[in-house]
Amino acid sequence: ETGVTQSPTHLIKTRGQQVTLRCSSQSGHNTVSWYQQALGQGPQFIFQYYREEENGRGNFPPRFSGLQFPNYSSELNVNALELDDSALYLCASSLGQGGGYTFGSGTRLTVV
Amino acid sequence: QKEVEQNSGPLSVPEGAIASLNCTYSDRGSQSFFWYRQYSGKSPELIMSIYSNGDKEDGRFTAQLNKASQYVSLLIRDSQPSDSATYLCAVLNSGNTPLVFGKGTRLSVIA
Repeated sequence: ETGVTQSPTHLIKTRGQQVTLRCSSQSGHNTVSWYQQALGQGPQFIFQYYREEENGRGNFPPRFSGLQFPNYSSELNVNALELDDSALYLCASSLGQGGGYTFGSGTRLTVV
Repeated sequence: QKEVEQNSGPLSVPEGAIASLNCTYSDRGSQSFFWYRQYSGKSPELIMSIYSNGDKEDGRFTAQLNKASQYVSLLIRDSQPSDSATYLCAVLNSGNTPLVFGKGTRLSVIA
């Protein structure tokens, strides 16, 4: 059984650029959630996908968008990058919407 | 707004002592409670989950839940230097609500 995998592990982008982060959920898990974790803070909820539909969103602007594919893998897209978008982006998968979350290793995004 | 509060620490304990980590939450509808451990630069790792009032033990870890007081805690017995990490408390309501995290408590176990 494979765990949650994220790519890339590290990324450096320039302010104003766009970025796509990818996540493969754990085998059998149909729910994927994305979190942003700034240095010294707890993870902040961005959005959640359940069976390819977005079914929850945190306080993030529309330039944060996502997709979930039929195999339950997911993408997070961020447009018009800002310096404050620099953070660790975490993907978590779960079976259904009430179970424990398994996190991937994260993508460290640096915006310069 | 649903909130999860933790002391940021650092909490320093000597090796072999009991570390006590605390968490309060605002949403009375919360039903599931989790403790994650996060080493610096790494992703959170689930170490305990608890769903009903009382204590739940797993090895050196004990989670305690008091829904009336909206309080959940984690005890680490015989603390080891390898336990030095940030411990995140996370709370889940029902349905399709997301897992809400506290800011985490940094634990330092001194050898």
